Amino acid sequence: KAGVTQTPRYLIKTRGQQVTLSCSPISGHRSVSWYQQTPGQGLQFLFEYFSETQRNKGNFPGRFSGRQFSNSRSEMNVSTLELGDSALYLCATNRAGEVQETQYFGPGTRLLVL
Amino acid sequence: AQTVTQSQPEMSVQEAETVTLSCTYDTSESDYYLFWYKQPPSRQMILVIRQEAYKQQNATENRFSVNFQKAAKSFSLKISDSQLGDAAMYFCAYRAYTGNQFYFGTGTSLTVIP
Repeated sequence: KAGVTQTPRYLIKTRGQQVTLSCSPISGHRSVSWYQQTPGQGLQFLFEYFSETQRNKGNFPGRFSGRQFSNSRSEMNVSTLELGDSALYLCATNRAGEVQETQYFGPGTRLLVL
Repeated sequence: AQTVTQSQPEMSVQEAETVTLSCTYDTSESDYYLFWYKQPPSRQMILVIRQEAYKQQNATENRFSVNFQKAAKSFSLKISDSQLGDAAMYFCAYRAYTGNQFYFGTGTSLTVIP
């Protein structure tokens, strides 16, 4: 069974640009969560999508948005990039988002904002 | 809001020895899950072990075991017979029964000395 895949793996952008990251879940997984990982803040929850609907949202500004497609693939978008957005962005998926389910993480997309 | 604290940014252990990583958390919930995730230098987060709060018995997975003290809100990870492949960043995480959001600690970087 293929694992969680994220593309691209690395990105370099400049301030003010926007970026779109993609996450393809494990087959059968319908819940996709996104996390931002930085050395100072650790892992912080961005949002979760389930059946094409945002189900949970963390405490991030509106510049961070996402969506989910009918095949459960998810994208997150960051507009008007700031230097502080430089981070590793991880997605995690599970079947239905039930509390007893394990979340499986992708390898992450490393974003550098210059 | 739930918070997870890992007070040891870095730990080291001699190969074949035992090491314990500490984690404390804060919550007003009575039912929840706790997890330890491992993030090797390749960056893929892997589940190490999990504990349901309603279970008094400590979870074990081969060389990995936890010491769960619900009243003290403490959840430490013990790694026995440490191996070189155990070197990684270890994250403690909390998950409530409602919502699919994980709250992570800031991580403990474990070095295994040959």
